[in-house]
Amino acid sequence: GAVVSQHPSWVICKSGTSVKIECRSLDFQATTMFWYRQFPKQSLMLMATSNEGSKATYEQGVEKDKFLINHASLTLSTLTVTSAHPEDSSFYICSARDWGQGGNQPQHFGDGTRLSIL
Amino acid sequence: AQKVTQAQTEISVVEKEDVTLDCVYETRDTTYYLFWYKQPPSGELVFLIRRNSFDEQNEISGRYSWNFQKSTSSFNFTITASQVVDSAVYFCALSETGTGTASKLTFGTGTRLQVTL
Repeated sequence: GAVVSQHPSWVICKSGTSVKIECRSLDFQATTMFWYRQFPKQSLMLMATSNEGSKATYEQGVEKDKFLINHASLTLSTLTVTSAHPEDSSFYICSARDWGQGGNQPQHFGDGTRLSIL
Repeated sequence: AQKVTQAQTEISVVEKEDVTLDCVYETRDTTYYLFWYKQPPSGELVFLIRRNSFDEQNEISGRYSWNFQKSTSSFNFTITASQVVDSAVYFCALSETGTGTASKLTFGTGTRLQVTL
């Protein structure tokens, strides 16, 4: 159980393109999902916390207008990188927690999306 | 603010050796959770263990064991008889209790483990 699906797994696109990444909890409901960014050989940095039915909470230094997050249902959150540029190239990972199992269950991660902007 | 330190950037061992990955954390909360995740070369994060701050019992799962020492704010991870398949980056992480943003994870910088034949 507790499977998180992330799509697409790899994106290569031209500078200026907007890219949407989907994160789905397949067998549980997730009122809260998290979006992380990881540069090569570095740790995961939390970008934002996505809350179902409300606005996302962004970490300091993360541009809200650049990284649009929508959490329209209990099983889906999307991250849209708007007008992407080469410096946005990174590995983006989402996670979700199964609140139905009680508080502070471990976060389960998607397989990540490698974004390359040319 | 909470912080997780993994001082070992890279470790190289020969198969069948035991290896310990260190994790030291800082938090002002009295109740918190500690985690270890494995990230193989393919990139996905694999959950290994969760430990809450009130449970200082060490845990063993197969070749994996964890030593939680609250007095030294450490949560070390030992792999016994390492195998090539253990090669990965291992992350230690900390979260406060609560819901929503209060339960976000703070990751250490990771330890890259290379197991060779």
